[in-house]
Amino acid sequence: DVKVTQSSRYLVKRTGEKVFLECVQDMDHENMFWYRQDPGLGLRLIYFSYDVKMKEKGDIPEGYSVSREKKERFSLILESASTNQTSMYLCASSLPTATNEKLFFGSGTQLSVL
Amino acid sequence: AQSVTQLGSHVSVSEGALVLLRCNYSSSVPPYLFWYVQYPNQGLQLLLKYTSAATLVKGINGFEAEFKKSETSFHLTKPSAHMSDAAEYFCAVSPINDYKLSFGAGTTVTVRA
Repeated sequence: DVKVTQSSRYLVKRTGEKVFLECVQDMDHENMFWYRQDPGLGLRLIYFSYDVKMKEKGDIPEGYSVSREKKERFSLILESASTNQTSMYLCASSLPTATNEKLFFGSGTQLSVL
Repeated sequence: AQSVTQLGSHVSVSEGALVLLRCNYSSSVPPYLFWYVQYPNQGLQLLLKYTSAATLVKGINGFEAEFKKSETSFHLTKPSAHMSDAAEYFCAVSPINDYKLSFGAGTTVTVRA
């Protein structure tokens, strides 16, 4: 069965801390994505990567960076966590088809920044 | 930029009743459209997709959606709700030949016994 694994289900951090969210997929997918999910706003794309060491900004990249050193792993980095980054973070992966028709999602990391 | 609007953040239906979730998109050309479902404490799963083939699309778990270009809509329906349909549903849009999906705000469905 295909799998996207996010390292933590719940995370509590302090304002100003550097935070790493890790995501691993076992499907040999080229594309990987980081979304944040907030009530009433749906999912918003933070960053995505279409190959190792390649990345592109999504709709809300401010305050975030990413790293993709290996094909299976895509990390989201909060350089200096702030309370407005408290959210559910979802990682996803997909094949590089034109339609990008099926994203496979992890179960999410609920991050609280105090 | 393409976007989707989901009408109604919460929908409550009785078990056995029709489920209707509304989604409208804004795009200058017909895009690709998707419905995803999120069960509690899980990631999203693809329910169905429209990619310019048949306008009536059948998905998993008895759901279907109809693409109507004239109304710029892609509403999701299920004739008879089951308790297991309680979840959050997201409509999403993608330009043709683009990696990125844009999601709506979501509609939470509760099913009354």
